[in-house]
Amino acid sequence: GAGVSQSPRYKVAKRGQDVALRCDPISGHVSLFWYQQALGQGPEFLTYFQNEAQLDKSGLPSDRFFAERPEGSVSTLKIQRTQQEDSAVYLCASSLTEFREQYFGPGTRLTVT
Amino acid sequence: DAKTTQPNSMESNEEEPVHLPCNHSTISGTDYIHWYRQLPSQGPEYVIHGLTSNVNNRMASLAIAEDRKSSTLILHRATLRDAAVYYCILRDRGSQGNLIFGKGTKLSVKP
Repeated sequence: GAGVSQSPRYKVAKRGQDVALRCDPISGHVSLFWYQQALGQGPEFLTYFQNEAQLDKSGLPSDRFFAERPEGSVSTLKIQRTQQEDSAVYLCASSLTEFREQYFGPGTRLTVT
Repeated sequence: DAKTTQPNSMESNEEEPVHLPCNHSTISGTDYIHWYRQLPSQGPEYVIHGLTSNVNNRMASLAIAEDRKSSTLILHRATLRDAAVYYCILRDRGSQGNLIFGKGTKLSVKP
């Protein structure tokens, strides 16, 4: 079956631009997670949704980061006024329930110039 | 979540077994041991998990020490496709489900 998909796969933004990153989770998966992965590091947690409810956004690095999942399926991570330090791979993962294994998408590589 | 310690890198020959160690000396009784791996330019993928007993699946085996302070992921016959970064992660069943990744072990497989 279809896995987790993310779009775009690559995004180049000029500093100060807003970007929106999309995640299509596996159908029926209740839990959705966003992670940020800097070069050479392991992924770091950003935020977590259970259906449409954002239960934890403690990992979002600043108020320029915003995530939503309005209908409990597709999720969008938005970054306003991008900065160079936002350059990273943004990974989305979904799981059937909170504690089940997570299935990751291929990620979106964001480069801020 | 408790922390884990893994070697930065390991090398293996193709078609030989690989034992990837993980230390977690501060593990609590409710922590499960999970392994994920990340192939180049891909998102992480789930490999295996366990609590106390050794576990086997089609991808790998997980051997857990009796005191649970360490574990070993075993790939029975390494292939070139197994070259990846392997992450050992502790997850408390009672905590939120997000994964806390360390730096993992980068496994290289030589033909």
